[in-house]
Amino acid sequence: EPEVTQTPSHQVTQMGQEVILRCVPISNHLYFYWYRQILGQKVEFLVSFYNNEISEKSEIFDDQFSVERPDGSNFTLKIRSTKLEDSAMYFCASSEQSYEQYFGPGTRLTVT
Amino acid sequence: QKEVEQDPGPLSVPEGAIVSLNCTYSNSAFQYFMWYRQYSRKGPELLMYTYSSGNKEDGRFTAQVDKSSKYISLFIRDSQPSDSATYLCAMSDGNYGQNFVFGPGTRLSVLP
Repeated sequence: EPEVTQTPSHQVTQMGQEVILRCVPISNHLYFYWYRQILGQKVEFLVSFYNNEISEKSEIFDDQFSVERPDGSNFTLKIRSTKLEDSAMYFCASSEQSYEQYFGPGTRLTVT
Repeated sequence: QKEVEQDPGPLSVPEGAIVSLNCTYSNSAFQYFMWYRQYSRKGPELLMYTYSSGNKEDGRFTAQVDKSSKYISLFIRDSQPSDSATYLCAMSDGNYGQNFVFGPGTRLSVLP
């Protein structure tokens, strides 16, 4: 069964460093998303992406964040200058032309 | 008032019990309702998806939506220890690529 994959599973970085989180969505899906979940808290929407552009973003997704689909399979989230409060699980999700979003296993980002 | 509310639990039930999980919401524009299961430190796994009001059944799972009361439910019949997880409701007001608003989740333990 096709699934969303994410790499790395765990990323440790120092405050102020740039990180890139990678996702491979399900191949025939057209809509891509990033969510984050701070430990013990709810899943929060960051950004949605369709047709090579951002379709919606939340207040969390400020100028420090960017997304890119560099080729036909990968979808990336970049955090330019990480802060301690960026420590969280980051989930990529994708959907076909439906409302059923399928999530990847997540990348645990630890900022020290 | 929070946009989507769930009783955080934990909810403990004996194996074989019928489990009822619920969410209330405040935004009357929500039309699409999803239930996800999340095991510890894993990505949310889509269980059920419903549109507007009504019931939907899939195996041991039944989802109900009552838009007039802004209340959705997930019933699990013949619960198993493997059902032990956090259950998240999520909802959207429509349009492809629209972000989901998640509830905080209910932690369920099914005891053998």
